[in-house]
Amino acid sequence: DGGITQSPKYLFRKEGQNVTLSCEQNLNHDAMYWYRQDPGQGLRLIYYSQIVNDFQKGDIAEGYSVSREKKESFPLTVTSAQKNPTAFYLCASSPTTSYNEQFFGPGTRLTVL
Amino acid sequence: GQQVMQIPQYQHVQEGEDFTTYCNSSTTLSNIQWYKQRPGGHPVFLIQLVKSGEVKKQKRLTFQFGEAKKNSSLHITATQTTDVGTYFCAGHSGNTGKLIFGQGTTLQVKP
Repeated sequence: DGGITQSPKYLFRKEGQNVTLSCEQNLNHDAMYWYRQDPGQGLRLIYYSQIVNDFQKGDIAEGYSVSREKKESFPLTVTSAQKNPTAFYLCASSPTTSYNEQFFGPGTRLTVL
Repeated sequence: GQQVMQIPQYQHVQEGEDFTTYCNSSTTLSNIQWYKQRPGGHPVFLIQLVKSGEVKKQKRLTFQFGEAKKNSSLHITATQTTDVGTYFCAGHSGNTGKLIFGQGTTLQVKP
């Protein structure tokens, strides 16, 4: 069963702690993306990766870091430097970055207390 | 930077009424995609338009891409309660590989 998975669905952390959100896909897609969604706003791009071992900053990369060591995996670390980390985080993948539709995971809702 | 604006932000309609959401870009787009996000869910791809002036239909949904490739619209005829959700437009500009999303229009349908 092909798809893109994110875990956990809900995550709670104390202020000042780093936290890593997982994203795995078995669609054999080259490109992967991380978005942040806040109430009443669209999806804002945090980081994206066009191919293994390569990634680029999106529009709101400050306070976040990523790695792309395997094609299937694109974990996102929310660091203590991110001033407002509480949000809904969505991971997506597409065959390439060129005008392909994006397939989204179910998302992780992060709450920092 | 490049922006994609979407209006209205919210729309409440009675079941059976029509609904339209509009998307405008500050720059020419290579394509426009539309996604639907159900409450508590994740965005799901609906359609992609690539050609200037293109119109595509999916049952009660009609999608248009403007002649200048800077605007788009989604029209739903005779809304149903299953149409509830947030509709996002998104477009690529140039060859950056980045998809720029509008803020979304949240549709509520009263039965």
